[in-house]
Amino acid sequence: DAKTTQPNSMESNEEEPVHLPCNHSTISGTDYIHWYRQLPSQGPEYVIHGLTSNVNNRMASLAIAEDRKSSTLILHRATLRDAAVYYCMATGKLTFGQGTILTVHP
Amino acid sequence: NAGVTQTPKFQVLKTGQSMTLQCAQDMNHEYMSWYRQDPGMGLRLIHYSVGAGITDQGEVPNGYNVSRSTTEDFPLRLLSAAPSQTSVYFCASSYKLTGAQREQFFGPGTRLTVL
Repeated sequence: DAKTTQPNSMESNEEEPVHLPCNHSTISGTDYIHWYRQLPSQGPEYVIHGLTSNVNNRMASLAIAEDRKSSTLILHRATLRDAAVYYCMATGKLTFGQGTILTVHP
Repeated sequence: NAGVTQTPKFQVLKTGQSMTLQCAQDMNHEYMSWYRQDPGMGLRLIHYSVGAGITDQGEVPNGYNVSRSTTEDFPLRLLSAAPSQTSVYFCASSYKLTGAQREQFFGPGTRLTVL
């Protein structure tokens, strides 16, 4: 089963880049890597996903290791609104890790 | 589009009572799922469906039943509520499960307390 592990928490200052890591060492070749974030008292919100190549969208970038056993979500300039719990997920078994609580300091 | 809707928002049950959590989506998504979220546990998959009439178990299915008679609706039934089922429940939907693995859209959640 594809299981993900993430650091419990990370901190950043406003307008600085943030790199959120995720390990998914048992991922299968056809599993996509998804990232979601969750604000307090809300449902998770999609951020980005990828398979093998690095991906960019208006919210973030996703860097995927060549062996696909890890990935990094990159927020290029953190804002206070980016403070949330960030989850990575491998789509094979649709299981989420425990997530990383991101704190952004003004 | 309303997206994914869940009712009720809050519910308190007594041990042994049964109830159904409702989930509906208006995006014509094939894939729907139910998760529970407990403090410090992240999101755990309960059941999922890849289309009308097709359901399967996730990581923590015990104590829950589902059915999918239409594309739009995916209710979650608690047959005999237990305090261990106190949690926040999220429903999600996605265009497809296979292929491009589109993103999941989540509902606002139902906060359930079992006394």
